[in-house]
Amino acid sequence: QVQLMESGPGLVQPSETLSLTCTVSGFSLTSYNVHWVRQPPGKGLEWMGVMWSGGSTDYNSALKSRLSISRDTSKNQVFLKMNSLQSEDTTTYYCARDGGYGSPLVDWGQGVMVTVSS
Amino acid sequence: DIQMTQSPASLSASLGETVTIQCQASEDIYSGLAWYQQKPGKSPQLLIYGASSLQDGVPSRFSGSGSGTQYSLKISSMQTEDEGVYFCQQGLKYPLTFGSGTKLEIK
Repeated sequence: QVQLMESGPGLVQPSETLSLTCTVSGFSLTSYNVHWVRQPPGKGLEWMGVMWSGGSTDYNSALKSRLSISRDTSKNQVFLKMNSLQSEDTTTYYCARDGGYGSPLVDWGQGVMVTVSS
Repeated sequence: DIQMTQSPASLSASLGETVTIQCQASEDIYSGLAWYQQKPGKSPQLLIYGASSLQDGVPSRFSGSGSGTQYSLKISSMQTEDEGVYFCQQGLKYPLTFGSGTKLEIK
């Protein structure tokens, strides 16, 4: 059974760095791509970036200067780091798996809500 | 980036009514279109991919159609469990982009 689970701090200080972990089970990170998507409260979805199964990454150009995605295949984990957080980064962050290149986001984690506030 | 324009923003439907949600892409996306349903406090769930293919386990009252830049999601007989927010998403080009969502409620 495919599962993804996000974890990380619920509260981050402005200008600091957010670190999130997506722990997956039921599939291999070397076979499937894992995306990060975020959603402000009551609003739409924004694609942030992807860890390709081959180990490379792509980012949304709007976030690229602040965003880094990495992984540890031995631990079945994908990591998101984003620096210089501001209030508009207060949102729910999801990791999701696609079914292969060009396929939609088939499986999603439950999401983690992050608030940026002092 | 490909812009996805979704309409209407909100919709109320009676039980058993047919519901249609529209999604327009800013350029031809060659049926690279998915639909998701999101319920309050939950993550999005895939309903339709490739514009018209039904994801496993999704009730057959859901269907998708369209081509080029115009796509639609139809619910043939509204049920109470269909309440939620629906999003379209293009998968042709990165960055992946989503419509702004349609909130569907029971009338």
